[in-house]
Amino acid sequence: DAGVIQSPRHEVTEMGQEVTLRCKPISGHNSLFWYRQTMMRGLELLIYFNNNVPIDDSGMPEDRFSAKMPNASFSTLKIQPSEPRDSAVYFCASTFGGDTEAFFGQGTRLTVV
Amino acid sequence: AQSVTQLGSHVSVSEGALVLLRCNYSSSVPPYLFWYVQYPNQGLQLLLKYTTGATLVKGINGFEAEFKKSETSFHLTKPSAHMSDAAEYFCAVTPQNYNKLIFGAGTRLAVHP
Repeated sequence: DAGVIQSPRHEVTEMGQEVTLRCKPISGHNSLFWYRQTMMRGLELLIYFNNNVPIDDSGMPEDRFSAKMPNASFSTLKIQPSEPRDSAVYFCASTFGGDTEAFFGQGTRLTVV
Repeated sequence: AQSVTQLGSHVSVSEGALVLLRCNYSSSVPPYLFWYVQYPNQGLQLLLKYTTGATLVKGINGFEAEFKKSETSFHLTKPSAHMSDAAEYFCAVTPQNYNKLIFGAGTRLAVHP
């Protein structure tokens, strides 16, 4: 398996534009997480899915953020409209069970100018 | 609610010296505990984990950690630091009945000659 695949690796966009980040989890994993990493706030859990169902989205900062998981092999995180303070590295991770290792993608570095 | 505290955002050691990175957790029930490492421009990868059983767990690259329930701690150690250990280290917890991985703020380890 190629691991967790995120795209794009880098995204530069203008304030107000819509941004969509994509994630393909490891096949067979039943939980998927979206994290945001910044110098100021560290690694924040935004939302996590179990069996494609959003279980906890309490970390989603505001209504501009939305996430979907239409099937077991694909998830998106959308920001609309984007703002400069959304600039961060966004990680996707997947796992099979709470006591097992979470595998992380390489991250998407988002810059909003 | 689960939380993780990592004491010391930056730790600096000499090559060959003991590495000690501290992690304390807050949980109403014993959680699963993890240490992850992040190299520059990379995602996180698992160093070691504690779920049940032996409280001293060994991981990759010579690291180990001990779960101490009475102290609610899960400190990470390595007897002799290598230059290649320079990275950021994250302690994480997840409740045994809830698949939500919560990270500490991270500790950046510097290793100098």
